[in-house]
Amino acid sequence: QSALTQPASVSGSPGQSITISCTGTSSDVGGYNYVSWYQQHPGKVPKLMIFEVSNRPSGVSNRFSGSKSGNTASLTISGLQAEDEADYYCSSYTSSRTLVFGGGTKLTVL
Amino acid sequence: QVQLVESGGGLVEPGGSLRLSCAASGFTFSDYYMGWIRQAPGKGLEWVSYISTSATIIYYADSVKGRFTISRDNAKNSLYLQMNSLRAEDTAVYYCARERVSSFDPWGQGTLVTVSS
Repeated sequence: QSALTQPASVSGSPGQSITISCTGTSSDVGGYNYVSWYQQHPGKVPKLMIFEVSNRPSGVSNRFSGSKSGNTASLTISGLQAEDEADYYCSSYTSSRTLVFGGGTKLTVL
Repeated sequence: QVQLVESGGGLVEPGGSLRLSCAASGFTFSDYYMGWIRQAPGKGLEWVSYISTSATIIYYADSVKGRFTISRDNAKNSLYLQMNSLRAEDTAVYYCARERVSSFDPWGQGTLVTVSS
C-alpha cells in the first residue's frame, strides 16, 4: 500500500491554470477509474472535488477538472483564484480492494 | 443536511485502547459504505478502513490490520472504530466519511487521538 506520488508543491498566479499530477501503478490509478481529488484548507476538513477521475460533485466549480492517462491522474485548476490556495490530495481504489492516498500537494497562489 | 459527528478521541498511553464513534444524520445511513481516514499532525491523509452497508465487506490498511476493528449499527446510524494496541504513530485526527464509488463525501469534523505516555 505505497502512497500515490504527488509533487510536494505547485504554484501559479491568479487567472492562470495549474495541473497537479498523481502517479500510481497499474494496480491502482492505472487499473481503475476510481480516482478522487480532495481540497483541504489549513485547519479544515477535506472536501471532495473530483470523483471517478473526472466527475465533479454538485457545487464544485467547473474550474476544477480531472483526467487520467495510464498510471497518472491529473487535477487541473483553471482561472486560479486566491481561495484555491490549499492542500490537494488524490486517492485511488486498489487491486487489494483497499484505498490509497497521495502524499498531498501544497498549492500556492502567487 | 448530511452530517457526520465523531467522538471518542483523547489521550491514551501506548498499548492502550480507544473506541471512536461517528453519528450520522441527514441521509439513509444503511444505504452507504462508510470509512475512516486519519491525518497525523502536519502530515497527509491516510485511509484506515471501510465497511459495507451490511458489514459483510470490511477492509483495513496494513498499518492497522489486526489492531483496529470497524463496525456499524444501522439502527443507531452509527459507525465505530475500535482501536487496540495503540502506538505513538497512531496519533492523528480521525475522520469518518460517507463512501461512494471509492470517494469520501462528506467528512466529519474529526476527533483527535493522541498516543503518549
